Amino acid sequence: DTEVTQTPKHLVMGMTNKKSLKCEQHMGHRAMYWYKQKAKKPPELMFVYSYEKLSINESVPSRFSPECPNSSLLNLHLHALQPEDSALYLCASSQDQQGAWNQPQHFGDGTRLSIL
Amino acid sequence: GQQVMQIPQYQHVQEGEDFTTYCNSSTTLSNIQWYKQRPGGHPVFLIQLVKSGEVKKQKRLTFQFGEAKKNSSLHITATQTTDVGTYFCAGRDNYGQNFVFGPGTRLSVLP
Repeated sequence: DTEVTQTPKHLVMGMTNKKSLKCEQHMGHRAMYWYKQKAKKPPELMFVYSYEKLSINESVPSRFSPECPNSSLLNLHLHALQPEDSALYLCASSQDQQGAWNQPQHFGDGTRLSIL
Repeated sequence: GQQVMQIPQYQHVQEGEDFTTYCNSSTTLSNIQWYKQRPGGHPVFLIQLVKSGEVKKQKRLTFQFGEAKKNSSLHITATQTTDVGTYFCAGRDNYGQNFVFGPGTRLSVLP
C-alpha cells in the first residue's frame, strides 16, 4: 500500500483533449514531485514543488502544466499531448525541499497514460 | 551534466545465488539513494548513503558508498524470488540541483 494516492490509474486521451492527473498525500510532506517513466527506463524528474511553490521545472513542454493547490495536493494538467507523451506518470513526496534530496521519496502507484 | 550509470543492465540468477549491482557517477555525489521497483509497481526507497566509504546493511542487502563518493554498490546475499525487480540508484551532484536516477539493473531470480 502506498501513502501517496494518484488518480486515475489509467487514462486514454486524444491529442486534442484536456485532462488532469491528481496526486494526494497526507504525510505532512512539503515537497512534491512529478516524474515521467517510459517502459524499461528510470523515472525522469519533471517538476518539483516546495511549500506549494514551483521550484524546479526540468525544461518540460508547456503542454504539461503543474499545479499545487495546497500542501497535500498536486495536479498535472494535460493539453494537446503527443503520442510520445504516453508513459507512466509518477507522483512522489518527501519532507521539505531544502533538504529534500536528502530525504526518501515516497512514490504513488502512478497514472498510466496513453495518447491516441 | 551529471551522468549516472549502472551495471549490469540485466542479471539472471538462480535462487540462493548472490547478486551485485554497481552505480557510477561522472561527478561527486552529495548522497546516493537506492530504490527498488517491482514489475508493474512504483519505486520504493531502500536506503540512503551520505558519508564517504559508508556501508549499511539491511538483512540480506549490503550497500556501499565509495571513498570518492562517485560510486556505490548494492549486494544481495542468497537471493529470493521476492528480490525480483529493478534496482535504481539515484543521487544529486555537489554542484547543481540535478537529481538523477541511474538506468537501473533488472534482476530476475529463477526458483
